Amino acid sequence: KQEVTQIPAALSVPEGENLVLNCSFTDSAIYNLQWFRQDPGKGLTSLLLIQSSQREQTSGRLNASLDKSSGRSTLYIAASQPGDSATYLCAVRGNFNKFYFGSGTKLNVKP
Amino acid sequence: KAGVTQTPRYLIKTRGQQVTLSCSPISGHRSVSWYQQTPGQGLQFLFEYFSETQRNKGNFPGRFSGRQFSNSRSEMNVSTLELGDSALYLCASSGGDRAHEQFFGPGTRLTVL
Repeated sequence: KQEVTQIPAALSVPEGENLVLNCSFTDSAIYNLQWFRQDPGKGLTSLLLIQSSQREQTSGRLNASLDKSSGRSTLYIAASQPGDSATYLCAVRGNFNKFYFGSGTKLNVKP
Repeated sequence: KAGVTQTPRYLIKTRGQQVTLSCSPISGHRSVSWYQQTPGQGLQFLFEYFSETQRNKGNFPGRFSGRQFSNSRSEMNVSTLELGDSALYLCASSGGDRAHEQFFGPGTRLTVL
């Protein structure tokens, strides 16, 4: 059974710092990996999608990488801002169109 | 295009009652998935519907059921509510030219007293 782990569970950084969030998964047979952002009590907002054949995707200050063979993905956030404060979740799409989510990293960017 | 919408946004029920939640996917999306999110268990997959057929199912008891209509709108029903059913219920749709991505609605916050 696919298991997705996110480390750290919480992270607090001063504004302006670059930071990395980690996501690992146990079964490398995935179709894609998606990073989401969730604000308190709200739904998930899709940030980046990486297909299994890709190594990375970029959107603005965000860069996500994927190493399928080692079962790892990272989300890099450059020049963090207080508005980046949220919980970040990763999800992998496995066989039979099933999605498996990590428990998230709660990010706090201090002004 | 309008995003995924869910109604109602908030619900308060008592134990033993039943509840129906609704999800309207993005226009053109034929797949709708439902998730339960709690602080202790995180996001857990309930089921997925595609073209009115349940395509996938998670590990939830039979009290949790769903259906999808011909216009791709989906409903989720929980019967005989328990306190532990209190959660944020999220639906996600996918399809069209971005069929490999999931797009989430704002969720329905269910509180069982």
